[in-house]
Amino acid sequence: KNEVEQSPQNLTAQEGEFITINCSYSVGISALHWLQQHPGGGIVSLFMLSSGKKKHGRLIATINIQEKHSSLHITASHPRDSAVYICAVSFINTDKLIFGTGTRLQVFP
Amino acid sequence: NAGVTQTPKFQVLKTGQSMTLQCAQDMNHNSMYWYRQDPGMGLRLIYYSASEGTTDKGEVPNGYNVSRLNKREFSLRLESAAPSQTSVYFCATLRSATSASFDEQYFGPGTRLTVT
Repeated sequence: KNEVEQSPQNLTAQEGEFITINCSYSVGISALHWLQQHPGGGIVSLFMLSSGKKKHGRLIATINIQEKHSSLHITASHPRDSAVYICAVSFINTDKLIFGTGTRLQVFP
Repeated sequence: NAGVTQTPKFQVLKTGQSMTLQCAQDMNHNSMYWYRQDPGMGLRLIYYSASEGTTDKGEVPNGYNVSRLNKREFSLRLESAAPSQTSVYFCATLRSATSASFDEQYFGPGTRLTVT
């Protein structure tokens, strides 16, 4: 069983819709990362958070440590948001990340 | 400032051939990582290096060797390629292994390797 579970695996939306991608993990962590992988393959870090909420432009990431759950929200989605969104966690006293399998998002005009 | 660079971008090997994937970073980061990405699976750690001169196995090290040549460069070698090693390989860096929990990873563009 993967220690990091993402849902949904695939998501399609119309431009302008509000998007939510979920990530659950099985044990205590020190931080959770959201990454974006573009269709060309490049991976960029969007957020790293250990509590609460972070916002960058139209992207919002939240984490609930007690429930071991994080969400990534995209407001006013746009076709350029089409990508694979990956959740990863780092555990206390480790220098390694464990990755989820990703959520493939397609936003249509 | 190029960030993290990888060469080559694409490679086709025959079973049994060897090759080295190169990774270099200009961000002065201590930690460097090699991952592989396969369809339907998350990124999996092959090897990592917390600092120059040290390397450690990750989740899927079999069939690979690494070398941390200096702070900038971290290479991944396939001594005898197998079809199961067909994958996309990513190199990544982190400022410090001890702050991995509170820092971001920076990824190279990836190497798409096919072994026939």
